[in-house]
Amino acid sequence: EADIYQTPRYLVIGTGKKITLECSQTMGHDKMYWYQQDPGMELHLIHYSYGVNSTEKGDLSSESTVSRIRTEHFPLTLESARPSHTSQYLCASSWGIVGTEAFFGQGTRLTVV
Amino acid sequence: AQTVTQSQPEMSVQEAETVTLSCTYDTSESNYYLFWYKQPPSRQMILVIRQEAYKQQNATENRFSVNFQKAAKSFSLKISDSQLGDTAMYFCAFMKGAQKLVFGQGTRLTINP
Repeated sequence: EADIYQTPRYLVIGTGKKITLECSQTMGHDKMYWYQQDPGMELHLIHYSYGVNSTEKGDLSSESTVSRIRTEHFPLTLESARPSHTSQYLCASSWGIVGTEAFFGQGTRLTVV
Repeated sequence: AQTVTQSQPEMSVQEAETVTLSCTYDTSESNYYLFWYKQPPSRQMILVIRQEAYKQQNATENRFSVNFQKAAKSFSLKISDSQLGDTAMYFCAFMKGAQKLVFGQGTRLTINP
Protein backbone atom coordinates (compact mmCIF):
# COMPACT_ATOMS: atom_id res chain seq x y z
CA GLU A 1 0.00 0.00 0.00
CA ALA A 2 1.04 3.59 -0.62
CA ASP A 3 2.48 5.61 2.25
CA ILE A 4 -0.01 8.45 2.22
CA TYR A 5 -2.29 9.00 5.16
CA GLN A 6 -5.38 11.08 5.75
CA THR A 7 -6.94 11.89 9.09
CA PRO A 8 -9.62 11.77 10.20
CA ARG A 9 -11.32 9.10 8.06
CA TYR A 10 -14.75 10.34 9.09
CA LEU A 11 -15.79 13.68 10.54
CA VAL A 12 -19.20 15.02 11.52
CA ILE A 13 -19.12 18.66 12.52
CA GLY A 14 -21.50 21.54 13.08
CA THR A 15 -22.02 24.50 10.79
CA GLY A 16 -19.60 27.36 11.36
CA LYS A 17 -16.81 25.27 12.87
CA LYS A 18 -13.24 25.49 11.62
CA ILE A 19 -11.77 22.21 10.48
CA THR A 20 -8.46 20.95 9.16
CA LEU A 21 -8.13 17.76 7.16
CA GLU A 22 -4.69 16.26 7.45
CA CYS A 23 -2.69 14.62 4.68
CA SER A 24 0.83 13.25 5.04
CA GLN A 25 3.07 11.19 2.79
CA THR A 26 6.38 9.53 3.55
CA MET A 27 7.55 9.03 -0.03
CA GLY A 28 9.20 12.43 -0.46
CA HIS A 29 6.89 13.29 -3.34
CA ASP A 30 7.05 16.81 -4.75
CA LYS A 31 3.48 17.06 -5.95
CA MET A 32 0.42 16.83 -3.77
CA TYR A 33 -3.26 17.21 -4.57
CA TRP A 34 -6.65 17.56 -2.95
CA TYR A 35 -9.70 16.21 -4.75
CA GLN A 36 -13.34 16.56 -3.79
CA GLN A 37 -15.42 13.53 -4.70
CA ASP A 38 -19.14 14.14 -5.07
CA PRO A 39 -21.92 11.60 -4.39
CA GLY A 40 -21.81 10.53 -8.04
CA MET A 41 -18.14 9.72 -7.39
CA GLU A 42 -16.75 12.24 -9.88
CA LEU A 43 -13.39 13.72 -8.83
CA HIS A 44 -12.80 17.46 -8.83
CA LEU A 45 -9.34 18.93 -8.25
CA ILE A 46 -9.58 21.71 -5.67
CA HIS A 47 -5.92 22.35 -4.75
CA TYR A 48 -2.47 21.21 -5.77
CA SER A 49 1.13 21.87 -4.90
CA TYR A 50 4.35 21.36 -6.86
CA GLY A 51 6.53 21.67 -3.76
CA VAL A 52 7.17 23.52 -0.52
CA ASN A 53 5.58 26.98 -0.46
CA SER A 54 3.86 26.29 -3.79
CA THR A 55 0.06 26.00 -3.86
CA GLU A 56 -2.43 26.49 -6.67
CA LYS A 57 -6.19 26.40 -6.91
CA GLY A 58 -7.65 23.57 -8.92
CA ASP A 59 -10.42 23.36 -11.46
CA LEU A 60 -13.28 23.43 -8.94
CA SER A 61 -13.68 26.57 -6.90
CA SER A 62 -13.44 25.83 -3.20
CA GLU A 63 -13.71 27.89 -0.03
CA SER A 64 -11.00 25.78 1.53
CA THR A 65 -7.34 26.76 1.82
CA VAL A 66 -4.16 24.72 1.86
CA SER A 67 -0.56 25.14 2.93
CA ARG A 68 2.68 23.34 2.07
CA ILE A 69 5.27 24.22 4.67
CA ARG A 70 6.85 20.77 4.68
CA THR A 71 7.27 18.36 1.79
CA GLU A 72 5.40 15.58 3.54
CA HIS A 73 2.42 17.56 4.83
CA PHE A 74 -0.46 19.16 2.90
CA PRO A 75 -3.35 20.10 5.19
CA LEU A 76 -6.67 21.48 3.98
CA THR A 77 -8.58 23.98 6.12
CA LEU A 78 -12.17 25.17 6.11
CA GLU A 79 -12.54 28.32 8.22
CA SER A 80 -16.29 28.00 8.57
CA ALA A 81 -17.86 24.70 7.59
CA ARG A 82 -21.23 24.65 5.83
CA PRO A 83 -23.53 21.79 4.80
CA SER A 84 -22.49 22.39 1.17
CA HIS A 85 -19.00 21.26 2.18
CA THR A 86 -20.28 17.78 2.93
CA SER A 87 -18.28 15.48 0.68
CA GLN A 88 -15.44 12.99 0.43
CA TYR A 89 -11.98 14.59 0.24
CA LEU A 90 -9.10 12.65 -1.30
CA CYS A 91 -5.44 13.56 -0.98
CA ALA A 92 -2.85 12.33 -3.47
CA SER A 93 0.86 12.70 -4.14
CA SER A 94 3.32 11.96 -6.92
CA TRP A 95 6.85 12.62 -8.07
CA GLY A 96 7.30 15.74 -10.16
CA ILE A 97 8.49 13.63 -13.07
CA VAL A 98 6.78 13.33 -16.42
CA GLY A 99 4.00 10.76 -16.46
CA THR A 100 4.41 9.32 -12.98
CA GLU A 101 1.43 7.81 -11.18
CA ALA A 102 -0.34 9.46 -8.27
CA PHE A 103 -0.81 7.66 -4.94
CA PHE A 104 -4.00 8.29 -3.03
CA GLY A 105 -4.95 8.36 0.62
CA GLN A 106 -8.04 6.59 1.91
CA GLY A 107 -10.02 9.81 2.04
CA THR A 108 -11.87 11.84 4.63
CA ARG A 109 -15.65 11.72 4.58
CA LEU A 110 -16.85 15.06 5.92
CA THR A 111 -20.43 15.70 7.01
CA VAL A 112 -21.44 19.18 8.09
CA VAL A 113 -24.72 19.33 10.00
CA ALA B 1 -8.08 22.46 -21.57
CA GLN B 2 -7.95 18.70 -21.65
CA THR B 3 -11.17 16.78 -21.01
CA VAL B 4 -11.78 13.11 -20.31
CA THR B 5 -15.13 11.44 -20.91
CA GLN B 6 -16.37 8.10 -19.66
CA SER B 7 -19.75 7.46 -21.24
CA GLN B 8 -20.70 4.39 -19.18
CA PRO B 9 -21.80 5.40 -15.66
CA GLU B 10 -22.41 1.79 -14.63
CA MET B 11 -21.64 -1.69 -15.93
CA SER B 12 -22.37 -5.13 -14.62
CA VAL B 13 -21.03 -8.52 -15.77
CA GLN B 14 -20.83 -12.07 -14.51
CA GLU B 15 -17.69 -13.43 -12.92
CA ALA B 16 -15.17 -14.80 -15.46
CA GLU B 17 -16.59 -12.68 -18.30
CA THR B 18 -14.62 -10.06 -20.19
CA VAL B 19 -15.65 -6.43 -19.88
CA THR B 20 -14.49 -3.29 -21.67
CA LEU B 21 -14.72 0.19 -20.19
CA SER B 22 -14.67 3.14 -22.56
CA CYS B 23 -12.79 6.42 -22.30
CA THR B 24 -12.32 9.26 -24.75
CA TYR B 25 -10.29 12.39 -24.28
CA ASP B 26 -9.70 15.68 -25.99
CA THR B 27 -6.27 17.25 -26.37
CA SER B 28 -4.17 19.06 -28.92
CA GLU B 29 -0.96 17.66 -27.44
CA SER B 30 1.05 14.96 -29.18
CA ASN B 31 2.74 13.51 -26.13
CA TYR B 32 0.89 12.72 -22.94
CA TYR B 33 0.03 9.91 -20.55
CA LEU B 34 -3.17 8.04 -19.90
CA PHE B 35 -4.11 6.06 -16.82
CA TRP B 36 -6.81 3.81 -15.48
CA TYR B 37 -7.35 3.97 -11.74
CA LYS B 38 -9.49 1.67 -9.62
CA GLN B 39 -11.33 2.71 -6.44
CA PRO B 40 -12.73 -0.33 -4.59
CA PRO B 41 -15.58 0.32 -2.14
CA SER B 42 -14.23 2.13 0.95
CA ARG B 43 -10.63 1.58 -0.14
CA GLN B 44 -7.81 3.61 -1.63
CA MET B 45 -7.62 4.52 -5.28
CA ILE B 46 -4.89 2.53 -7.00
CA LEU B 47 -3.30 2.57 -10.43
CA VAL B 48 -4.38 -0.21 -12.76
CA ILE B 49 -2.47 0.57 -15.91
CA ARG B 50 -0.60 3.39 -17.67
CA GLN B 51 -0.06 4.20 -21.35
CA GLU B 52 2.43 6.63 -22.87
CA ALA B 53 1.01 8.28 -25.96
CA TYR B 54 4.18 7.99 -28.01
CA LYS B 55 4.21 4.21 -27.54
CA GLN B 56 2.08 2.45 -30.12
CA GLN B 57 2.04 -0.85 -28.26
CA ASN B 58 -0.95 -1.24 -25.97
CA ALA B 59 -0.10 -1.63 -22.28
CA THR B 60 -1.01 -4.84 -20.46
CA GLU B 61 -0.93 -5.82 -16.79
CA ASN B 62 -1.98 -9.42 -16.21
CA ARG B 63 -5.76 -9.53 -16.84
CA PHE B 64 -5.92 -5.82 -17.65
CA SER B 65 -5.15 -4.42 -21.07
CA VAL B 66 -5.89 -1.25 -22.98
CA ASN B 67 -6.90 -0.45 -26.52
CA PHE B 68 -5.23 2.87 -27.25
CA GLN B 69 -6.38 4.57 -30.45
CA LYS B 70 -4.44 7.82 -30.61
CA ALA B 71 -6.07 9.21 -33.73
CA ALA B 72 -9.52 8.54 -32.34
CA LYS B 73 -8.46 9.78 -28.87
CA SER B 74 -9.83 6.62 -27.33
CA PHE B 75 -8.40 4.64 -24.40
CA SER B 76 -10.52 1.66 -23.36
CA LEU B 77 -9.76 -0.81 -20.59
CA LYS B 78 -10.38 -4.52 -21.04
CA ILE B 79 -10.65 -6.78 -18.02
CA SER B 80 -10.39 -10.47 -18.86
CA ASP B 81 -11.62 -13.31 -16.65
CA SER B 82 -13.26 -10.80 -14.32
CA GLN B 83 -13.20 -11.52 -10.60
CA LEU B 84 -15.36 -10.40 -7.69
CA GLY B 85 -12.46 -8.27 -6.47
CA ASP B 86 -12.63 -6.23 -9.66
CA THR B 87 -15.85 -4.61 -8.40
CA ALA B 88 -14.97 -0.91 -8.07
CA MET B 89 -15.22 2.54 -9.55
CA TYR B 90 -12.85 2.88 -12.51
CA PHE B 91 -11.48 6.25 -13.53
CA CYS B 92 -9.74 7.14 -16.74
CA ALA B 93 -7.19 9.95 -16.36
CA PHE B 94 -5.02 12.14 -18.58
CA MET B 95 -1.72 13.85 -17.83
CA LYS B 96 0.36 16.14 -20.01
CA GLY B 97 4.01 16.11 -19.04
CA ALA B 98 4.44 16.56 -15.31
CA GLN B 99 1.22 18.51 -14.90
CA LYS B 100 -1.89 17.63 -12.94
CA LEU B 101 -4.09 14.62 -13.57
CA VAL B 102 -7.46 15.18 -15.24
CA PHE B 103 -10.04 12.52 -14.44
CA GLY B 104 -13.13 11.27 -16.21
CA GLN B 105 -16.48 10.90 -14.49
CA GLY B 106 -15.91 7.26 -13.56
CA THR B 107 -17.60 3.95 -14.34
CA ARG B 108 -19.07 1.83 -11.57
CA LEU B 109 -18.29 -1.80 -12.39
CA THR B 110 -20.01 -4.65 -10.59
CA ILE B 111 -18.89 -8.24 -10.99
CA ASN B 112 -21.70 -10.65 -10.11
CA PRO B 113 -21.08 -14.20 -8.81
